[in-house]
Amino acid sequence: DARVTQTPRHKVTEMGQEVTMRCQPILGHNTVFWYRQTMMQGLELLAYFRNRAPLDDSGMPKDRFSAEMPDATLATLKIQPSEPRDSAVYFCASGLVGGSYGYTFGSGTRLTVV
Amino acid sequence: QKEVEQNSGPLSVPEGAIASLNCTYSDRGSQSFFWYRQYSGKSPELIMSIYSNGDKEDGRFTAQLNKASQYVSLLIRDSQPSDSATYLCAVNPSSNTGKLIFGQGTTLQVKP
Repeated sequence: DARVTQTPRHKVTEMGQEVTMRCQPILGHNTVFWYRQTMMQGLELLAYFRNRAPLDDSGMPKDRFSAEMPDATLATLKIQPSEPRDSAVYFCASGLVGGSYGYTFGSGTRLTVV
Repeated sequence: QKEVEQNSGPLSVPEGAIASLNCTYSDRGSQSFFWYRQYSGKSPELIMSIYSNGDKEDGRFTAQLNKASQYVSLLIRDSQPSDSATYLCAVNPSSNTGKLIFGQGTTLQVKP
């Protein structure tokens, strides 16, 4: 089965450190999303890309978060500097075309900032 | 007003009963609607999609869409304990950019 691969699965870091999360979308998918999930806020859309071009990153705190897609097989989400309130599960999802088919989620990165 | 709203639950039903999960959305021009299931500690998994008014059935699952009322629901027949999970409603807004907006999810508990 094709899958979205995220690394690392778990990350514990100290406040102020840089965190990089990686995502390998399903081959052939042209749309990649980054979501953050917390108990309080649920699934929040942070950013997404179509054919590697950023379409919307309005959900991201711009001063500390950045998302890139250097090639079709890799999407990255960076937090610098990290803060305790960034503790959450970060999901990458990929899909095809304009969203009519739903998306496949990766296993997520559980981030804890202490 | 949140764009996609769900009752957080928990919704508790006995094994074998019908579970009914509901979702409302604010953008009248929304095009596509999805139900995801998320087990505790796992990632969301797509279980149903619906695009037109009416019902769509897939095994024990039926999705219902009423665009006039801006309402989408998921029925699970013959509920099993393995159906116990959080069910997330997701909507593709009218901009048709492809992005999905999720509700908070409804936790379903199926008791043996």
